[in-house]
Amino acid sequence: GAVVSQHPSRVICKSGTSVKIECRSLDFQATTMFWYRQFPKQSLMLMATSNEGSKATYEQGVEKDKFLINHASLTLSTLTVTSAHPEDSSFYICSARDQRLAWEQYFGPGTRLTVT
Amino acid sequence: GIQVEQSPPDLILQEGANSTLRCNFSDSVNNLQWFHQNPWGQLINLFYIPSGTKQNGRLSATTVATERYSLLYISSSQTTDSGVYFCAVGSGSEKLVFGKGTKLTVNP
Repeated sequence: GAVVSQHPSRVICKSGTSVKIECRSLDFQATTMFWYRQFPKQSLMLMATSNEGSKATYEQGVEKDKFLINHASLTLSTLTVTSAHPEDSSFYICSARDQRLAWEQYFGPGTRLTVT
Repeated sequence: GIQVEQSPPDLILQEGANSTLRCNFSDSVNNLQWFHQNPWGQLINLFYIPSGTKQNGRLSATTVATERYSLLYISSSQTTDSGVYFCAVGSGSEKLVFGKGTKLTVNP
C-alpha cells in the first residue's frame, strides 16, 4: 500500500514553454501533497504544500506564478512549470501523506525536467 | 526552522561490513523518516521512527527524541545497499526538512 506515482518520468522541453507534472496517490486519499526539487548531488528542498480544494502554500523564494500547483482531487496534484528556462532543469519529486497513517510521507519516483 | 545534520557525508564499505549512520536535529519532532535514494532517484521509505527502535531485516533504526538524534544501522552490507541515505524530520507541522544525506558505497 501507500503508492505514489508521477508522470512523466522524464521530459525535455524548449525554453519558454510550459510543462505539467502529475502526482497521484494510487491506493489512498491524500488531502495534502508536497512538491520538492532536487539539484544534482544535493538534498531535497520543499517547494510547496498542496492542499485539496485550496490554494497551495509556497516556501520562501519559490515563485508561485512560475510553479503553478493544483490539487483538484484527493488523489491528484499537478505542478506546472510555466515559461520554463534552462535554470528550471531539475529533478522534481512529489510526496503524499495518508492522514490515517500519522505523519509519514510517501514519495513518487520523480520527474527529470530538462529545458533546452 | 529546524536544522538536520547527517554524518558521515560519505562512507565506503566492503561487502559484509556493518555501518551506522547518524542524524542530529535541533528541535523536538513529530516525524522522522529514513530514506534510501536509489540510482534512479526513487526515495524508498526505510523507517518512520519519531521515537523508539525498529528493525526490518538487516536494517534497524533508533531515535532518541530527548537527545535529538537518530541512528540507522546497516548490517552485513550488500552492493545493492549503495546509494544516498536521507534523514528527514518534521517539527510541529506536516513539512519535512531533509538532511544533506550520507552517500554509501559498498564494494564487492
